[in-house]
Amino acid sequence: ETGVTQSPTHLIKTRGQQVTLRCSSQSGHNTVSWYQQALGQGPQFIFQYYREEENGRGNFPPRFSGLQFPNYSSELNVNALELDDSALYLCASSLEALAETQYFGPGTRLLVL
Amino acid sequence: GQQVMQIPQYQHVQEGEDFTTYCNSSTTLSNIQWYKQRPGGHPVFLIQLVKSGEVKKQKRLTFQFGEAKKNSSLHITATQTTDVGTYFCAENTNAGKSTFGDGTTLTVKP
Repeated sequence: ETGVTQSPTHLIKTRGQQVTLRCSSQSGHNTVSWYQQALGQGPQFIFQYYREEENGRGNFPPRFSGLQFPNYSSELNVNALELDDSALYLCASSLEALAETQYFGPGTRLLVL
Repeated sequence: GQQVMQIPQYQHVQEGEDFTTYCNSSTTLSNIQWYKQRPGGHPVFLIQLVKSGEVKKQKRLTFQFGEAKKNSSLHITATQTTDVGTYFCAENTNAGKSTFGDGTTLTVKP
């Protein structure tokens, strides 16, 4: 176990709805990265939060937004859900922004109908 | 767009056979990381290579980083059923962004 937790584990939404996914980082870690993993593909980097500030963003539209709290837990918000947003959403925590090792949580599987 | 390409996409081996997956990039990589994801699980960090020509070993796993830092390989000697999963390579950039390949899925027949 990595000590990184995510909630919920599974979620079903309809097109146009909004969703919030949550991640608790490993104790002592101040950096959280979010990834989207579609079936049969590698994780795609969404963004990273370091000490409550966004520290890098991948090629995702603005309807993907995030937040990091003072305790370094994090949220991923997705507005105006589309069918293609169906995927496994992974968060990963690391000791620092440039740390070599990141520890992934179990993920939230989102299905958009 | 995606920077790292992995081949093969799938590999089926008999237990005891060797396995190799390759990671290739058209541009020079700052580093290369390898992850393993078991079926239904999440990626688990295995190792990071940084230097040109670097070779690292973890028991039956051998990781190599090419001289030009544009390719890498993971070789497993004498596969076991516990090796089943998808192996990903990724580049971890200074901007905090990790770019993953699409992985090689290994199945092992007992």
